[in-house]
Amino acid sequence: EVQLVESGGGLVQPGGSLKVSCSASGFSFRSYEMNWFRQAPGKGLEWVAYISNSASSIYYADSVMGRFTVSRDNAKDSLFLQMNSLRGEDTAVYYCGRDLYSYGYTPGYWGQGTLVTVSS
Amino acid sequence: QSALTQPRSVSGSPGQSVTISCTGTSSDVGGYDYVSWFQQYPGKTPKLIIYDVSERPSGVPDRFSGSKSGNTASLTISGLQAEDEADYHCCSYGGRHNHYVFGTGTSVSVL
Repeated sequence: EVQLVESGGGLVQPGGSLKVSCSASGFSFRSYEMNWFRQAPGKGLEWVAYISNSASSIYYADSVMGRFTVSRDNAKDSLFLQMNSLRGEDTAVYYCGRDLYSYGYTPGYWGQGTLVTVSS
Repeated sequence: QSALTQPRSVSGSPGQSVTISCTGTSSDVGGYDYVSWFQQYPGKTPKLIIYDVSERPSGVPDRFSGSKSGNTASLTISGLQAEDEADYHCCSYGGRHNHYVFGTGTSVSVL
């Protein structure tokens, strides 16, 4: 069974930094591209970042470009999102996601999410 | 990177059908057959109910169906049930640099 478990969320002041993690199990992590998504309170879903299975390709949403960094450790089946220069509008539940299949483009599996609150 | 446009809310009586539209551009919805739909209850994780425009994952009732015409995708819920009251989000692949684009979300109410 595919499982994704996020951790590391919390309260951080504007301008601060936070690193959230995603632990994967139940599948060959090194074979799959991964994504981070987020959902602000009462708002819709938003794609944040993409990383290929070997980390050779990485893309970001314009809203986080230059402030967030996605990385992965295939030996530890883990995905990370380093968030710097945080703003109030970054307050959201952050989800890691795996595509449904190793081909195609469907964010089929999601973790339970971790809440990041940016506030003074 | 603009969000796909969905109606804010739709409603219907039990047994009726409702359709949710999802309008994008030729760079996302119109350019790829990679449209998916998610059902989300308050405080819960989104659940995939449609992928590749019209495919249903195992376990999703056939009351849920998807289609696409040009830059607009649609989700139809037939035989509406009380348990279908939730938020629904569409999603499209948007190319390498704009990997996924989501819709604005639609709240479905069962009257």
